[in-house]
Amino acid sequence: GENVEQHPSTLSVQEGDSAVIKCTYSDSASNYFPWYKQELGKRPQLIIDIRSNVGEKKDQRIAVTLNKTAKHFSLHITETQPEDSAVYFCAASMNTGNQFYFGTGTSLTVIP
Amino acid sequence: NAGVTQTPKFRVLKTGQSMTLLCAQDMNHEYMYWYRQDPGMGLRLIHYSVGEGTTAKGEVPDGYNVSRLKKQNFLLGLESAAPSQTSVYFCASSRDRGVYTGELFFGEGSRLTVL
Repeated sequence: GENVEQHPSTLSVQEGDSAVIKCTYSDSASNYFPWYKQELGKRPQLIIDIRSNVGEKKDQRIAVTLNKTAKHFSLHITETQPEDSAVYFCAASMNTGNQFYFGTGTSLTVIP
Repeated sequence: NAGVTQTPKFRVLKTGQSMTLLCAQDMNHEYMYWYRQDPGMGLRLIHYSVGEGTTAKGEVPDGYNVSRLKKQNFLLGLESAAPSQTSVYFCASSRDRGVYTGELFFGEGSRLTVL
């Protein structure tokens, strides 16, 4: 099956700085890559996703990039704010299956 | 529209006891999933279902059983609980992967402790 690795496991940034989280995947058949944010004690929620036919996608302060050749994708958060503090999970899946494989999560702390 | 609802929210079991976690969704989603979340391990898929009456094994199915007798419900059972099954369990649902995004909608989670 698919193997998704995520780094770093913890990340601290000063408010206003940028944060980058990286994930790699093993199965070249994976073609859908979502990112989920989980605030403390809450359920994970989708914040952005990207399909394999797109190299980059932006939504206000967050962006995701995908390098299919290298099989890695990254989440970029600019102008970080304290409310960005949470655990972020990347995931990979493919159209032919219905399983989502998650990374181990990155705990982001934004220091005011 | 409640989305995805899990019951119970918390449960403490003794080793060897059995229990069932119930997941209900009111979004008419075809796909439903059970994940477990452990520190440093992320979300790992236990079982999933692609429609009423169907179930399939995920990454970590051992020690769990599931049933999807009705489209809106997905039950996760532990026949003989073990301390290794202490975890937070999340149910999720999604529409399909064709036209839609495939977004997973999660329940609030169920914290299970096995003593």
